Amino acid sequence: GESVGLHLPTLSVQEGDNSIINCAYSNSASDYFIWYKQESGKGPQFIIDIRSNMDKRQGQRVTVLLNKTVKHLSLQIAATQPGDSAVYFCAERSQGAGGTSYGKLTFGQGTILTVHP
Amino acid sequence: DAGVIQSPRHEVTEMGQEVTLRCKPISGHNSLFWYRQTMMRGLELLIYFNNNVPIDDSGMPEDRFSAKMPNASFSTLKIQPSEPRDSAVYFCASRRQGASTDTQYFGPGTRLTVL
Repeated sequence: GESVGLHLPTLSVQEGDNSIINCAYSNSASDYFIWYKQESGKGPQFIIDIRSNMDKRQGQRVTVLLNKTVKHLSLQIAATQPGDSAVYFCAERSQGAGGTSYGKLTFGQGTILTVHP
Repeated sequence: DAGVIQSPRHEVTEMGQEVTLRCKPISGHNSLFWYRQTMMRGLELLIYFNNNVPIDDSGMPEDRFSAKMPNASFSTLKIQPSEPRDSAVYFCASRRQGASTDTQYFGPGTRLTVL
């Protein structure tokens, strides 16, 4: 039979361009968000995180923006390089009962970023 | 820091055989997670341990799957008997609960192929 897999969004950019990867999350109670990068044959690697009491956080060449009103998260990569080519996942953490930090992350499907030299 | 260590990196087995995947979390981390990644379903949480105690195993597919964490530095995920649909990449991740960040650090994964 025909196999059906996830159809990941893709983004192709030229080296040196800025990249923006978007993510819609599902739970309005989520209080913490992480972006991971996964290269072929490797495990997800932490890039940057943001708590729900913030709407922007910057790292080295990366910026994460959080819009809680529309439950949207974005990752901006400045001056994208071929080494940035990977699958990028957003993850959200939902609070446990009584407001405790459960620690369980729910991952998005991922976006494939391809950077052309 | 050695990071999360998983073994084996690749496993090929035949349907019906028992498979055991191993994980050594980062030293000092007290939470451990097992994930499965497939093209069909993406990255799924199977089970989560905190201080060696299983907290949430609702993601474990069925009774054929079991996980243990006998001490803070070792965990196993066992599939018995294995089936072709178990073919996937299995990741272990660890975290230090109570740290300023809630980041989970992933191992390199075990690619399992069940023939």
